[in-house]
Amino acid sequence: QLQLQESGPGLVKPSETLSLTCTVSGGSISSSSYYWGWIRQPPGKGLEWIGSIYYSGSTYYNPSLKSRVTISVDTSKNQFSLKLSSVTAADTAVYYCARQHPPFGVTTMLASFDIWGQGTMVTVSS
Amino acid sequence: DIQMTQSPSSVSASVGDRVTITCRASQGISSWLAWYQQKPGKAPKLLIYAASSLQSGVPSRFSGSGSGTDFTLTISSLQPEDFATYYCQQANSFPPWTFGQGTKVEIK
Repeated sequence: QLQLQESGPGLVKPSETLSLTCTVSGGSISSSSYYWGWIRQPPGKGLEWIGSIYYSGSTYYNPSLKSRVTISVDTSKNQFSLKLSSVTAADTAVYYCARQHPPFGVTTMLASFDIWGQGTMVTVSS
Repeated sequence: DIQMTQSPSSVSASVGDRVTITCRASQGISSWLAWYQQKPGKAPKLLIYAASSLQSGVPSRFSGSGSGTDFTLTISSLQPEDFATYYCQQANSFPPWTFGQGTKVEIK
């Protein structure tokens, strides 16, 4: 059974870089046509897609965050990672990683997120 | 960006009630819409994809309909475990993929 687990610091100082890793277990990150995404949720608010990556390294980013976001993949460790630079208090949120169905091609589950990590709270504060 | 607007923002209902939540897209998205359920402190759970297809393991009391810009999620007979927040997500146009603001289903 595929599982995802986020890890990383729970506290980041303003202007620094937030770094999180998602470890995939129970399956290979590179064995299928899935994408792997990051979604965040500020306290008491809704969901915001941050970006997604394919095991080849192909990425899509939210234009609103693109200048600050880097998502990378390490297939040897079955992990993908998020870096968000120049953080402010507005970046305080629960960060989720998730498996995403392909955003194109012959698939009825187009771009939906079907398996999620439990989420990790990241607070931006000095 | 495609904006997704859900209504109502919250609904109070009793066990056994029929509950309908609406999601409207700012432009046509064909049938490329997903619905998620989120309980407090938990990750979202995929309920429905392609507007009306039930994800494996999801009870049949959940159903989805719509195409173009207007979509609905219906819970035919609300159960205690259904009290949660529900989100729609458009899967047609990216980046970005966008979510609705959420609808909280509360106990009456």
